[in-house]
Amino acid sequence: GQQLNQSPQSMFIQEGEDVSMNCTSSSIFNTWLWYKQDPGEGPVLLIALYKAGELTSNGRLTAQFGITRKDSFLNISASIPSDVGIYFCAGRISGNTPLVFGKGTRLSVIA
Amino acid sequence: SQTIHQWPATLVQPVGSPLSLECTVEGTSNPNLYWYRQAAGRGLQLLFYSVGIGQISSEVPQNLSASRPQDRQFILSSKKLLLSDSGFYLCAWSYSGGPDTQYFGPGTRLTVL
Repeated sequence: GQQLNQSPQSMFIQEGEDVSMNCTSSSIFNTWLWYKQDPGEGPVLLIALYKAGELTSNGRLTAQFGITRKDSFLNISASIPSDVGIYFCAGRISGNTPLVFGKGTRLSVIA
Repeated sequence: SQTIHQWPATLVQPVGSPLSLECTVEGTSNPNLYWYRQAAGRGLQLLFYSVGIGQISSEVPQNLSASRPQDRQFILSSKKLLLSDSGFYLCAWSYSGGPDTQYFGPGTRLTVL
């Protein structure tokens, strides 16, 4: 099946630093989603992207739908301790295919 | 607003015992429903999805089954649990015919001993 390559797998950063993570695919996607999962909880949707080149912000988070439609990026500015968690990208090839999830980026913030 | 519930929150079961996990959605009609499993420290694996009552699609052959007896109810079952069935089970919903943005429930932690 389709796979998404999400990187990095984990990150340790100082509070206040900016964070960047990305997902790539060998296939063209028409939807990109970014989720955050806190320990023991379900993933929470952060940002949804539906058009190539789209750049969307949600507070300190910014995500972009790559113009090739094969990648997406998530940036977090001025990280804070509550940003700790696992961030997942997800994408969809077409209307009749299920979402495909990346394996996640585990973010640790050092105060 | 829409809400999604899962229960139980945690479950410890012996190998060979049956399983029934329940998921319900409120505040929307005819949602698409999904069951995922997440192994410790791993990504999400889609198990089943449903676009309507009685309509179930299986993504991975396994020891589990799913049913949708009502529009907003999705059940994950097993007749005999295996050790490998341990994990974090997540239910999700999305709008039927709309953007495929999925919204997740709080999850059920299943430990098979």
